[in-house]
Amino acid sequence: AQRVTQPEKLLSVFKGAPVELKCNYSYSGSPELFWYVQYSRQRLQLLLRHISRESIKGFTADLNKGETSFHLKKPFAQEEDSAMYYCALSGPRGFKTIFGAGTRLFVKA
Amino acid sequence: IAGITQAPTSQILAAGRRMTLRCTQDMRHNAMYWYRQDLGLGLRLIHYSNTAGTTGKGEVPDGYSVSRANTDDFPLTLASAVPSQTSVYFCASSDTEREAQYFGPGTRLTVL
Repeated sequence: AQRVTQPEKLLSVFKGAPVELKCNYSYSGSPELFWYVQYSRQRLQLLLRHISRESIKGFTADLNKGETSFHLKKPFAQEEDSAMYYCALSGPRGFKTIFGAGTRLFVKA
Repeated sequence: IAGITQAPTSQILAAGRRMTLRCTQDMRHNAMYWYRQDLGLGLRLIHYSNTAGTTGKGEVPDGYSVSRANTDDFPLTLASAVPSQTSVYFCASSDTEREAQYFGPGTRLTVL
């Protein structure tokens, strides 16, 4: 069955520390993977997608098909990174996007 | 309108009442979605529409209905609200099913 797993509900790090938000997926085909972010009292917005292979706000994510993972990383966390992060998977026509349960990142001063 | 909007922002509703949450986008996106966001459960798809005139059921469709009379609007109706429908509801749209989704600001609904 198709599934997106974010094993950590809450991740707390100090400012300046590296951060990694984990995402594992289960999908038999060729997935499209995304990270969305939701800052306090704001709407969800796209942070990045694997196909673009870009860095947004210092975050990167690499698709590892062998480990079926798409972890989100940032070398030096900032307080403004505190937010809810969702990993999502989509597929070909007819496949509905699946979201993980989300990880709340809290960056402490 | 810029992007995707939802109305109302929040609503308190008595159980048994009918309620329609509105969603409008001006990006001419083909696909639209309704999700509910609950603590610990993430986003769950309620209903979706791949194109105007078509709709489909998501993961948690019971108690909800949608319509897609045109490209821009995708209202969600609760025919007879129950307390378990207390949630934050997000509408989203995308050009195609495979593309990134754009989200509305959400509607916080409380059913008493």
